[in-house]
Amino acid sequence: DIQMTQSPSTLSEFVGDRVTITCRASQSISSWLAWYQQKPGKAPKLLIYKASTLEGGVPSRFSGSGSGTEFTLTISSLQPDDSATYYCQQYDSSSTFGGGTKVEIK
Amino acid sequence: EVQLLESGGGLVLPGGSLRLSCAASGFSFSSHAMGWVRQAPGRGLEWVSVVYGDGITTYYANSAKGRFTISRDNSINTLYLQIHGLRADDTAVYFCARQHASGSSALLYDYWGQGTLITVSS
Repeated sequence: DIQMTQSPSTLSEFVGDRVTITCRASQSISSWLAWYQQKPGKAPKLLIYKASTLEGGVPSRFSGSGSGTEFTLTISSLQPDDSATYYCQQYDSSSTFGGGTKVEIK
Repeated sequence: EVQLLESGGGLVLPGGSLRLSCAASGFSFSSHAMGWVRQAPGRGLEWVSVVYGDGITTYYANSAKGRFTISRDNSINTLYLQIHGLRADDTAVYFCARQHASGSSALLYDYWGQGTLITVSS
């Protein structure tokens, strides 16, 4: 199975800050990577797929990059509504999710 | 409007069985693969299984092989997950999810239900 490792597990930044979350795959997954946002008690929400394609309706402050084994999710200017846990998901070979990154607002 | 509504969760004794349902509306159900993803309390997401629109092609996570059966009834727009031999580590919220509209992968999901909780305990 492909393992997905996210870092950091938690982060706390100010409104307006730039935030970067990293996801590493145990083997190459080309660009078959998605990012989801999940708020407590809610279903995950798709933000980005194919590593860098923004899902419709998602604010442009979210962006994704990477290929192969290393990927990043960037929030260009953190907003209060961005407080949530973020998960990466590989869908190249079966599917596995990263462990999650909890984003808090200072 | 796409809607996915799970049901069938509850408290189950270890070794018991349960069938989850996911009622879909607002889209052409048979045109999309459908999947199940679970989340243990306070833990991350775990992909469980997927069934293609034809209802024939299915795949399972290694943790789900042998005890889980995914199926669908396209005539009533409903997805199912049958689980046998329930164990404490099956305790989780189970989400159903729709294949992304792009159709690029059966494992990429754009709409999710709110989930149904299975608690396995004596």
